[in-house]
Amino acid sequence: GAVVSQHPSRVICKSGTSVKIECRSLDFQATTMFWYRQFPKQSLMLMATSNEGSKATYEQGVEKDKFLINHASLTLSTLTVTSAHPEDSSFYICSAYLHGGNYGYTFGSGTRLTVV
Amino acid sequence: DAKTTQPPSMDCAEGRAANLPCNHSTISGNEYVYWYRQIHSQGPQYIIHGLKNNETNEMASLIITEDRKSSTLILPHATLRDTAVYYCIVRVEETSGSRLTFGEGTQLTVNP
Repeated sequence: GAVVSQHPSRVICKSGTSVKIECRSLDFQATTMFWYRQFPKQSLMLMATSNEGSKATYEQGVEKDKFLINHASLTLSTLTVTSAHPEDSSFYICSAYLHGGNYGYTFGSGTRLTVV
Repeated sequence: DAKTTQPPSMDCAEGRAANLPCNHSTISGNEYVYWYRQIHSQGPQYIIHGLKNNETNEMASLIITEDRKSSTLILPHATLRDTAVYYCIVRVEETSGSRLTFGEGTQLTVNP
């Protein structure tokens, strides 16, 4: 089946620094990738949608200058949390979508970000 | 977006069938029903999806009512590893690309 690899699985960073999270589709080319954020005991919240080679579309309330998304190839999307603050601590999850695929949406294993 | 309603929690005995309901009364004709589950601190895992016919795979069965306003996910023989949050999602069709919007889901606890 379709596999999405997400790295790192856990990261701790100091307040004010930037963190990059990678999302790779391993055995298929993803036309669209999605980034979600999940706070403890809450559901997944969609942050942005990215299509290869074009700018990401951000959900209302998500700061595009703070959460930089790059989708430079059909197998790689990155999320960079810039100038991280403790309130950015969360579980970040990517998803890749393949048009016409049996599964449609495949999720990465998530990244636990802790900002201290 | 077609909204879904699920019970916040359910319990099931190990080895018994788990039947998870979902209401999606505002679903439109070209929208699919997807089921995902999320085990604690992991990414969601695809289970099954369907449009109007009942579906079955190695993980579960999906029963969709004739009017498509509700569905039931059936895990035929629940195990302890099936303890997870189960999400019923109606797929949104948009020109910028389809996306999945998650509701609160149902916390299924399988008890020994």
